Amino acid sequence: DAKTTQPNSMESNEEEPVHLPCNHSTISGTDYIHWYRQLPSQGPEYVIHGLTSNVNNRMASLAIAEDRKSSTLILHRATLRDAAVYYCITDSWGKLQFGAGTQVVVTP
Amino acid sequence: DAEITQSPRHKITETGRQVTLACHQTWNHNNMFWYRQDLGHGLRLIHYSYGVQDTNKGEVSDGYSVSRSNTEDLPLTLESAASSQTSVYFCASYRGRADTQYFGPGTRLTVL
Repeated sequence: DAKTTQPNSMESNEEEPVHLPCNHSTISGTDYIHWYRQLPSQGPEYVIHGLTSNVNNRMASLAIAEDRKSSTLILHRATLRDAAVYYCITDSWGKLQFGAGTQVVVTP
Repeated sequence: DAEITQSPRHKITETGRQVTLACHQTWNHNNMFWYRQDLGHGLRLIHYSYGVQDTNKGEVSDGYSVSRSNTEDLPLTLESAASSQTSVYFCASYRGRADTQYFGPGTRLTVL
């Protein structure tokens, strides 16, 4: 199963964009890349996912490197409600491989 | 609305006891998963099931078992609880490949 590597924490000002990098250099060709976030005392919440192409949804954008060895989650305008631990995850037929996650801190 | 629930939400037990954690989903998903999360870490896969009567071991399956007798439920059993199994346990389900996994609220288990 592919391992993911993320920075431990990132800080952003409110309403500024946040770019969260992730390395998954051992990902297989059929594994999806997912991002989930987790608030304290809650279960993980889906953010976005993709396979090869960049993806956008109402929450975020996902930019996937051409070689698929890395990806970047982009929160376009951080709000205080976006403060959470963000996990970059590889998905091998539903078996999610979590990394340690990045703690995002949003400053007013 | 469809949902995924876990019970109990909190459990304290003693070393050596058998414990069963319940997971129930009304999404009608074939695929269900159990994860554990230790303090300050990401989730790790314990067991998973792709359908009724199907069960598979995950990354940290030792000391745990599951059974799948219907689509809605995947109970997780700790055969003989150990202090190392103190953790928060999350159940999840999803429809199929590349779909969103929906997580339950978690069960906080303490083994004394």
